[in-house]
This record gives sequence, structure tokens and C-alpha cells, in this order.
Amino acid sequence: DAKTTQPNSMESNEEEPVHLPCNHSTISGTDYIHWYRQLPSQGPEYVIHGLTSNVNNRMASLAIAEDRKSSTLILHRATLRDAAVYYCILQGAQKLVFGQGTRLTINP
Amino acid sequence: EAQVTQNPRYLITVTGKKLTVTCSQNMNHEYMSWYRQDPGLGLRQIYYSMNVEVTDKGDVPEGYKVSRKEKRNFPLILESPSPNQTSLYFCASRGPLSGQAKFFGPGTRLTVL
Repeated sequence: DAKTTQPNSMESNEEEPVHLPCNHSTISGTDYIHWYRQLPSQGPEYVIHGLTSNVNNRMASLAIAEDRKSSTLILHRATLRDAAVYYCILQGAQKLVFGQGTRLTINP
Repeated sequence: EAQVTQNPRYLITVTGKKLTVTCSQNMNHEYMSWYRQDPGLGLRQIYYSMNVEVTDKGDVPEGYKVSRKEKRNFPLILESPSPNQTSLYFCASRGPLSGQAKFFGPGTRLTVL
């Protein structure tokens, strides 16, 4: 299964943009790039996903490199409620393979 | 409200005592799956089901069984639980297309003594 690489942790300030990077150099042509986040004591929550083009929704934006070997999740104005572990995942035919994720800390 | 529910949320049991963790979704999703989450190991898939009566092993299926007799339900069965199955378990569901988002349940924290 294709794997993703993310920084273990990142820190940002409230109301500032946050860029969370993800490398996935072994991505296959049919893999979707998904981002989930997990708040303490909760199940993972879907954030956004894409295949080739950049994507925007009410929660975040996803920027996908032209060669698809990396992507960046963008939180435009971080709030304290955005503090969580963020997972970048490649979804193939059946599986969602989770890596270790990035623990995002938001400072007030 | 669209949701995935799991029961029980917390369970303490003893080695060898059969147990079932239920999972139910109200979104008419074809695909359902079970994960376990352990410190340092992240989320690992146990079993998945593409539809009723269609199930397959994930990455860590040993010691677990599943069944999919109805579309909305996907119970996880531990026939003879052991302490190494102490973990946090999540059920998830999504629609039929692999690119679709998954919805996760709130989790079941299982302790096997």
C-alpha cells in the first residue's frame, strides 16, 4: 500500500493560516488523497479529499502538486477547535491506510 | 442526523469471554469497516465489507470475526478475547465509490484482563 509521510507535530497561532504538508511519492494513478482529523476522544472526522485538482470546502483547502507526489492541507484561519491530529491518507480500491498523522497545536 | 453508532462505548472483560461490538449506520452505505487504534501504531484496518454478505480481511484480522447480514449493521466479534486485543475500536462507513469520504463512529474502548 502506498504510504504517506507527515511531520509529527506542528504549531500555529489562532486566526493564522496553517499549511500541513504530506508526501506520498508512491501514489498510484487511482489513489485519492484524503485528509481526516481526530480530536481528543473522538473518531476520525473527514476534512477534504481530491484526486488531481485543488479542492476547497467550508473546512479547508487541499493543494495537490502537479506530479501528485505531495499535497498540502490549508486551514485558512485556525481556531482553537482545529487542534487535532491530522491524517493524510491515500485511498485505493478498498483501504484507507492511516499513517501517524501530524499533531497540530493552536496557540491562543 | 447521518451517523455511525457503536455499542458499547466502553467494555472491560476477561480473557476468553466472547464479546460482540455492534456498529450501525443510517446512511444506506454499502461499505463498512473496522479499525483498531493503538498508541504508536495509528489506525489499522481489521475487516471491511463491500456490501451485504461480502467481507474481507484488512491488515490485522487475527482474533476477529465479522458478519454483514444487513446493510446497516456490521458487528465485530471477538470469539476468545486476549489482552493484546485491548484497544480503541472504530467502525466506519462510506458509499460505494472508493473516493468517497468515510464516516467514523465514536469508538469503543475495550480492555481485556
